[in-house]
Order: sequence, then C-alpha cells, then structure tokens
Amino acid sequence: QQQVKQSPQSLIVQKGGIPIINCAYENTAFDYFPWYQQFPGKGPALLIAIRPDVSEKKEGRFTISFNKSAKQFSLHIMDSQPGDSATYFCAASRSGSARQLTFGSGTQLTVLP
Amino acid sequence: NAGVTQTPKFQVLKTGQSMTLQCAQDMNHNSMYWYRQDPGMGLRLIYYSASEGTTDKGEVPNGYNVSRLNKREFSLRLESAAPSQTSVYFCASSESLGNQPQHFGDGTRLSIL
Repeated sequence: QQQVKQSPQSLIVQKGGIPIINCAYENTAFDYFPWYQQFPGKGPALLIAIRPDVSEKKEGRFTISFNKSAKQFSLHIMDSQPGDSATYFCAASRSGSARQLTFGSGTQLTVLP
Repeated sequence: NAGVTQTPKFQVLKTGQSMTLQCAQDMNHNSMYWYRQDPGMGLRLIYYSASEGTTDKGEVPNGYNVSRLNKREFSLRLESAAPSQTSVYFCASSESLGNQPQHFGDGTRLSIL
C-alpha cells in the first residue's frame, strides 16, 4: 500500500519557471515531511523538511507548502535553473516509535536552458 | 570526510548466488538503514539498525539479512539472489531514529540474471 502518493511522475519547465511537485499522505500520524533531491548516479540528499505545525517553509529558492486538513504538501522551486534538473522525492515519517521514512515514487524534473 | 561509502558500486550475479553489500559511515551516526530503489516505486526500507547491536525489519525484508558489525558498518546480505532483487541499493545513516536527516551513500547497482 502506498502511503505517500507523489505527482507528477515527470515535469519539464523552462529556465526561470516554477515547477510544483505534489504529495498526498494517508497516515495522520505522520509528523515529519522531508524532500530529497537525487542526481543521476548519486544517492538522495535532504533538500528541505517541514513539520505540521507550520504551513510553509522556505530555504533559498525551495519552498514547502503544507495543508494539514487536506493531508497534502508540495515543493515549489522558484526561478528554476538547469542545475535543478534531478529526481525529487517527498517522504513522511512519524516520531514516537522506530521511525521509518515512507517515500513517494519520485518526480523527474527537467529544467530547459 | 567521505560520509556514507558503499561497496561495490556495480555487481552482476547469477540466480542463486550470494553476496554481501558493504556500507560504512564516518559521521559517528547511531542509526543506519538499507533501502532498495526501483523505477516508479521510490525507496523502500529493507532493514534498519537503531544503534550498534540492534537490527529490525523494514517494509521489504524477505530474502535479505543484515549485520551491524560495529557503529560504522552495516552490511546487507543476499543469501540466494533472485531476479526480483535486481535493484539499486542505498545505505543511509542518521544521528538517531526519530525525525533526523538521513545521509545516503551513492548506491550499489545490482543485476541478477
């Protein structure tokens, strides 16, 4: 069962555009929502993370928007650059017991020059 | 500072062969993880180790065994490889369980014929 659904599967934007990647979760016990960025041949790297007590978090050109009532969160990349071309994964986990990250299926982003 | 190092980077096996994937981290992290990454399915947790001397099953443990050799090293063993285990395997570490960033290695690409 897929507890974190991610869309779209792939996304192509022009340089300077604002790609948006969406994720929806089912488990209301999740309380930590990170985004990972993965370049070809490399492992995922933590990009930005949010907890459900805030609705938005910005780090540089990357913003997470969080909607607790809808059980959805999204990643926005402002002024996207060709160097942002990568696969992005959302994830979710819950504290309290042994934490396991549940990953979305990934979005392959291509930013055209 | 290498972070998380995985060996080998590539491996081809025949069905029924066994092998061990090695992982070492130099960040003095307590917790370590093994994931597999398959197209369209994100990353799925195979096993994890909360601390030296402990291991627990993740989402997809069947066909695998692990050993937490010491605080630095966490190995994954395939006793009798099957074609369904063809995947990219990632090792990760974090300071502890809980909502901590996980640091990933660059993966082992394993093909089973």
